[in-house]
Amino acid sequence: GAGVSQSPRYKVAKRGQDVALRCDPISGHVSLFWYQQALGQGPEFLTYFQNEAQLDKSGLPSDRFFAERPEGSVSTLKIQRTQQEDSAVYLCASSFWDNPLETQYFGPGTRLLVL
Amino acid sequence: AQTVTQSQPEMSVQEAETVTLSCTYDTSESDYYLFWYKQPPSRQMILVIRQEAYKQQNATENRFSVNFQKAAKSFSLKISDSQLGDAAMYFCAYRSARTSGSRLTFGEGTQLTVNP
Repeated sequence: GAGVSQSPRYKVAKRGQDVALRCDPISGHVSLFWYQQALGQGPEFLTYFQNEAQLDKSGLPSDRFFAERPEGSVSTLKIQRTQQEDSAVYLCASSFWDNPLETQYFGPGTRLLVL
Repeated sequence: AQTVTQSQPEMSVQEAETVTLSCTYDTSESDYYLFWYKQPPSRQMILVIRQEAYKQQNATENRFSVNFQKAAKSFSLKISDSQLGDAAMYFCAYRSARTSGSRLTFGEGTQLTVNP
């Protein structure tokens, strides 16, 4: 596709519900990152995939957060038993290769509101 | 761990004027990259400019340029001839030069307003 897409764009969940956020990276991009952006803050790293392998999940805030990329393309970030503090924008980014100079292309984000 | 600090939560500039956004960072690494990203209200983050730490020459992209002071760990962004479309949140970001899975570490952001 032309860019990174994310769905849904907006999600309202009741506390305790499970949610799944989808990221479609640019076709052929090897690297995929998830970031969490709280209101008025800069994005913070959650997890990183190289193809289907999750190589770094050190940023996931709790074991309620789970991410997968089973076929090395689309990725899903799942949050179980959502809490109010999970309210944030979740950004996905992809890059062609696993090289720190490669540009990370960001999606528009999913805004999650937990009531 | 690396940290990035943007001490100006908000800045404003008159159209056609020049504005400088500040950024400092802390790291013990010698090889890294620095970036400025722009996030318009639509929320899609866009790369504005990048700087390799091993390069002494400051990066320039059209109206955007940086002042990279490695010893001071300072990385400011200068926007010349500001345009209304430059209005956005600007984030400074750091990335280690190690090859695998190098994440971006962002500052808190600076909201830039461009006045007509």
